[in-house]
Amino acid sequence: AQTVTQSQPEMSVQEAETVTLSCTYDTSENNYYLFWYKQPPSRQMILVIRQEAYKQQNATENRFSVNFQKAAKSFSLKISDSQLGDTAMYFCAFSRRNDYKLSFGAGTTVTVRA
Amino acid sequence: DTAVSQTPKYLVTQMGNDKSIKCEQNLGHDTMYWYKQDSKKFLKIMFSYNNKELIINETVPNRFSPKSPDKAHLNLHINSLELGDSAVYFCASSQDGAGTDTQYFGPGTRLTVL
Repeated sequence: AQTVTQSQPEMSVQEAETVTLSCTYDTSENNYYLFWYKQPPSRQMILVIRQEAYKQQNATENRFSVNFQKAAKSFSLKISDSQLGDTAMYFCAFSRRNDYKLSFGAGTTVTVRA
Repeated sequence: DTAVSQTPKYLVTQMGNDKSIKCEQNLGHDTMYWYKQDSKKFLKIMFSYNNKELIINETVPNRFSPKSPDKAHLNLHINSLELGDSAVYFCASSQDGAGTDTQYFGPGTRLTVL
């Protein structure tokens, strides 16, 4: 079974600053997919960013970027220029071909302070 | 237009009752999922369906029975509800189930068993 570990239960950041969320995973597969999902207080699960393991280039989506270190099995999320609307719980998730499921980490609660 | 919808959004019921949660997606996806988010916000797969066929049943009690009348719908029926069933239940869908496609989530159904 794949395991996904998010070691930071909570993080706080000042508006306009940068915060980095860590995620590590354990797999023996070579081809897999990694995701960050955001869950604001509304509880809707929203895709933030997605990374294919076979791609060496780190994925970027506006103010959100990842640092994907395949050898270290690390997939951190950087939120730049933090905004109040970024306040949410962030989940790292793993999937592999023919898995038919996402395996989630425990989540990191991010609070952006005005 | 809502991509993945669930009804109801909130469900409060007594122990021992039977209840259903409905899910519909208008994305034309082939695969649908049910996830359970517990009180600690941990998300775990319950069921996966691909083209109306059950692919994953992740050690869920028999009291939970999913039904997929067509590719766009995946309903969850729960018999003899127990206190421990209180959680948020998310429906999701993806283009295929091979692990290559992003999963899109519904708004969740908060089930409270009294």
